[in-house]
Amino acid sequence: EVQLVQSGAEVKKPGESLKISCKGSGYSFTNYWIGWVRQMPGKGLEWMGIIYLGDSDTRYSPSFQGQVTISADKSISTAYLQWSSLKASDSAMYYCARPYYPSRLNDAFDIWGQGTMVTVSS
Amino acid sequence: EIVLTQSPGTLSLSPGERVTLSCRASQSVSSSYLAWYQQKPGQAPRLLIYGASSRATGIPDRFSGSGSGTDFTLTISRLEPEDFAVYYCQQYGSSPFTFGPGTKVDIK
Repeated sequence: EVQLVQSGAEVKKPGESLKISCKGSGYSFTNYWIGWVRQMPGKGLEWMGIIYLGDSDTRYSPSFQGQVTISADKSISTAYLQWSSLKASDSAMYYCARPYYPSRLNDAFDIWGQGTMVTVSS
Repeated sequence: EIVLTQSPGTLSLSPGERVTLSCRASQSVSSSYLAWYQQKPGQAPRLLIYGASSRATGIPDRFSGSGSGTDFTLTISRLEPEDFAVYYCQQYGSSPFTFGPGTKVDIK
């Protein structure tokens, strides 16, 4: 079964760092792009950025460029989203997602992780 | 950046009704790279339609998509109880691959 499994919920304080993960299984991980999507409480979906696992080519939304870092370790089929200094406004659900076709950047997200809830509070 | 606008914001309908949801883009979406997703409370989004009109695997044929350029539509021919949810459009032709704000379909 093709699936993306994300790391568990996190509770952090403002200013702390955080790295959440998204592990793929059931398919050839390095042949696909993996994207990250934010959903703040009660709000809509926001596309943050995307990484190609084959060569780590990464694209960011201007809204998130410089605010987060997307990375990957293809040896363990895992993509990451990290913050160096969290703010309360980073509190949200974060989803990773994979397009249907391999190697295709311009594609809809067919496979989604279960989401990681990040809460930032003093 | 392409901005997507969805209308209406909320629809209150009864099971069995026909639904038409609109998604309008601020500029033309290349190659009809437009998708529709369904999201229920506490769940990840689910892909319904890609390429503006192609149903994703396992999606019932009561869901259909149409449109091109800047105007796109998702139609549910006959609402089932499990269809009450929020629906998002997304363009993936031009990075950043933006989402619309969503349309909530709830029970009248």
